[in-house]
Amino acid sequence: EAGVAQSPRYKIIEKRQSVAFWCNPISGHATLYWYQQILGQGPKLLIQFQNNGVVDDSQLPKDRFSAERLKGVDSTLKIQPAKLEDSAVYLCASSSSSSGTQYFGPGTRLTVL
Amino acid sequence: SQKIEQNSEALNIQEGKTATLTCNYTNYSPAYLQWYRQDPGRGPVFLLLIRENEKEKRKERLKVTFDTTLKQSLFHITASQPADSATYLCALDKGGSQGNLIFGKGTKLSVKP
Repeated sequence: EAGVAQSPRYKIIEKRQSVAFWCNPISGHATLYWYQQILGQGPKLLIQFQNNGVVDDSQLPKDRFSAERLKGVDSTLKIQPAKLEDSAVYLCASSSSSSGTQYFGPGTRLTVL
Repeated sequence: SQKIEQNSEALNIQEGKTATLTCNYTNYSPAYLQWYRQDPGRGPVFLLLIRENEKEKRKERLKVTFDTTLKQSLFHITASQPADSATYLCALDKGGSQGNLIFGKGTKLSVKP
């Protein structure tokens, strides 16, 4: 089966600009996660969707980050405006249940200059 | 607050030896614990899941133990190979039914031929 797809793989922007990331989960997976992984750290959960509803967004900086999962399949994560400290890899993962194994995409490496 | 620690940032061993990685946690009562492997430029890949009522789990050359009294998990790779070189992440569920994972920082394993 196809894995989790993410695009773009790399993005370089100036601070205060906007950026959006796209994720296509494994077919049939109801749960989708967005993580932020700063260099040398483990992934940190930003938001979790169950179908098209938000389950947990407690660690999402809502003043600048937003995410949606229309129709319960693909998802986009947006940062507006970006700050230097947003430089990180943004990982998307999906699972078939809320307590199951998570399958990760390759990530998008964001550099904010 | 909830905290996860992986004992060392880096571990260097000789090919053929057993690698042992440690994951300690505080202020948690996780229902399960997972181990992931992450190669440079890629997303984490699931390896093993062990539940709170299980003492040990094996998969090929991998073995995981889970001691809820010590609040510790040990991850062993026997007969290690250079291809096992990667960063290994420990992840605990936050509790509840949401399936949110909290990741440790990871241990970078290098297996020398």
